Amino acid sequence: VQLMQSGAQVTKPGASVKVSCKASGDTFSGYYVHWVRQAPAQGLEWMGRINHRGGGTNFAQTFHGRVTMTRDTSTTTVYLDLNSLRPDDTAIYYCVTEAQWGWFDSWGPGTLVTVSS
Amino acid sequence: DIVLTQSPASLAVSLGERATINCKSSQSVFFTSNNKNYLAWYQQSPGQPPKLLLYWASTRESGVPDRFTGSGSGTDFTLTISSLQPEDVAVYYCQQYYETPPTFGQGTKVEIK
Repeated sequence: VQLMQSGAQVTKPGASVKVSCKASGDTFSGYYVHWVRQAPAQGLEWMGRINHRGGGTNFAQTFHGRVTMTRDTSTTTVYLDLNSLRPDDTAIYYCVTEAQWGWFDSWGPGTLVTVSS
Repeated sequence: DIVLTQSPASLAVSLGERATINCKSSQSVFFTSNNKNYLAWYQQSPGQPPKLLLYWASTRESGVPDRFTGSGSGTDFTLTISSLQPEDVAVYYCQQYYETPPTFGQGTKVEIK
């Protein structure tokens, strides 16, 4: 499956951002879509996942209270909302599909979110 | 959370030579009921998203060249590139999917000497 993400965004500290991820071919593979972020010149950080069929979510403890993940089954799109943004939230945000047994088989192109005053 | 520690942080290898990357887990990712190691390897070329190379610690994803080999079990794993090619310049990450949250190693940067 190919994943398409929304475009880059620049936003201010304290604001919120919403990033979308749409599957080509009108379906995601597997059950879960994950969000993974990568700060500039840094490694990969798992944020959470959404069951794109049932809507259930799991989040990394780091983001509890600041992150929401939703899905629109009619458009085969999932969304990441992150609020109370800080400059250190500046990163590329990737949506990723999970293969049947748990590895990450398809990655979106990424969405750069810049948080700056 | 399971912590994955990769070594080295970076390495420079001559074209055609072998590159070896290690990944050590803070706890075993071997599941006895199916005899599988829940570990994957990814390659991130400059300016690109990561790409899946191997899963089950040693199974190549479709289309991955056979110069990429994964080995190890339990807590210690290795990714070997048998004959480095120019297109292999990238950062390589290991990842465990044994439990939630999935976690990544910090990455190993491979360059041409």
